Amino acid sequence: GAVVSQHPSWVICKSGTSVKIECRSLDFQATTMFWYRQFPKQSLMLMATSNEGSKATYEQGVEKDKFLINHASLTLSTLTVTSAHPEDSSFYICSARELGRQETQYFGPGTRLLVL
Amino acid sequence: SQKIEQNSEALNIQEGKTATLTCNYTNYSPAYLQWYRQDPGRGPVFLLLIRENEKEKRKERLKVTFDTTLKQSLFHITASQPADSATYLCALFRSTASKLTFGTGTRLQVTL
Repeated sequence: GAVVSQHPSWVICKSGTSVKIECRSLDFQATTMFWYRQFPKQSLMLMATSNEGSKATYEQGVEKDKFLINHASLTLSTLTVTSAHPEDSSFYICSARELGRQETQYFGPGTRLLVL
Repeated sequence: SQKIEQNSEALNIQEGKTATLTCNYTNYSPAYLQWYRQDPGRGPVFLLLIRENEKEKRKERLKVTFDTTLKQSLFHITASQPADSATYLCALFRSTASKLTFGTGTRLQVTL
């Protein structure tokens, strides 16, 4: 089956630093990738949608200058949390969708971010 | 406002019994609904999809029903096993927005 990987699986950083999270589709071409954030005991909240080669579309309330998304290839999207603060600590999950397969999203294993 | 509600309390059942989880939604007209399993510290894993014109879908020990009049989906696991213990999420897909919106999930605990 289709596999989506994320790296790193967890990261601890100091407040004010930037953190980059990678999301890769391993055996298919992901024309669309999604980034979600999940706080403890809460639902997955969509942060942004990115299409390969285009600028990401951010959900209401998500700061695009803080959460930089790049989807430069059909197998890789990155999320950079700039100037991270403790309130950015969360579980970040990406998912990927193939062209023409709108119904199916494959999720990555998630990245746990802890900002001290 | 749009809401997707799942029972926030954990569901505890005995091994071998049927677990039934509920997903209710308001102010949505989803094209389809999906159920996912999520284990602690992991991403969601897709289980089943049911479209708006379908009443029921089955896959092995899993069964999903979809009532667009009641705006409700039920997710059943028959002959439950301790390995079924996890959080189960429902997600609605709206064609107009082309994105999934998730419920908060219900934690299922199957005991021996």
